[in-house]
Amino acid sequence: GNSVTQMEGPVTLSEEAFLTINCTYTATGYPSLFWYVQYPGEGLQLLLKATKADDKGSNKGFEATYRKETTSFHLEKGSVQVSDSAVYFCALGRNAGNNRKLIWGLGTSLAVNP
Amino acid sequence: EAQVTQNPRYLITVTGKKLTVTCSQNMNHEYMSWYRQDPGLGLRQIYYSMNVEVTDKGDVPEGYKVSRKEKRNFPLILESPSPNQTSLYFCASSPSGTPGTGELFFGEGSRLTVL
Repeated sequence: GNSVTQMEGPVTLSEEAFLTINCTYTATGYPSLFWYVQYPGEGLQLLLKATKADDKGSNKGFEATYRKETTSFHLEKGSVQVSDSAVYFCALGRNAGNNRKLIWGLGTSLAVNP
Repeated sequence: EAQVTQNPRYLITVTGKKLTVTCSQNMNHEYMSWYRQDPGLGLRQIYYSMNVEVTDKGDVPEGYKVSRKEKRNFPLILESPSPNQTSLYFCASSPSGTPGTGELFFGEGSRLTVL
């Protein structure tokens, strides 16, 4: 079946460090892939997405590339800020048949220290 | 402002006392869904609705009911709450009939404690 695996947290970085949060997926066909972010005390919001292989999603300095050959969608940012402290969720979306929902990873907590 | 509004944001109740968590969206979205978020378990879908009068079970529907009488509202009903329903609940909506390629818009969450 469809599934998403994220690296476990928490991840703790110093400001301006490079960030990678790994996400791999299992799915048949061609799913869409998403990263959502949850800031403290808030609901989730879409950070970026990619709908086909080799697409790169980007937003707020974050990037992720849809790599079908490695079934991965790793999230990266070159220089994190304290304000990036949040929980990040990788998700897979399918619309085919009855599978009309997002499949979520468990989330990775990021803490950025000044 | 486009938003998903949940109420109440915080609630402490006792076992067996029926409660309803309301959810309303002002974006004319067809798709709405309820999730619960628990430490170590991530987000789990409770129920979803593709459109008015169309609802279906998610991954963890036991102990919950929903209704979709109007497009904008999707209340979550706990007929007889139990302590294992203590959780953080999120309502979400999507402009597309199926969220697989569309963006999900989330409410701010409702933290429920059942004693």
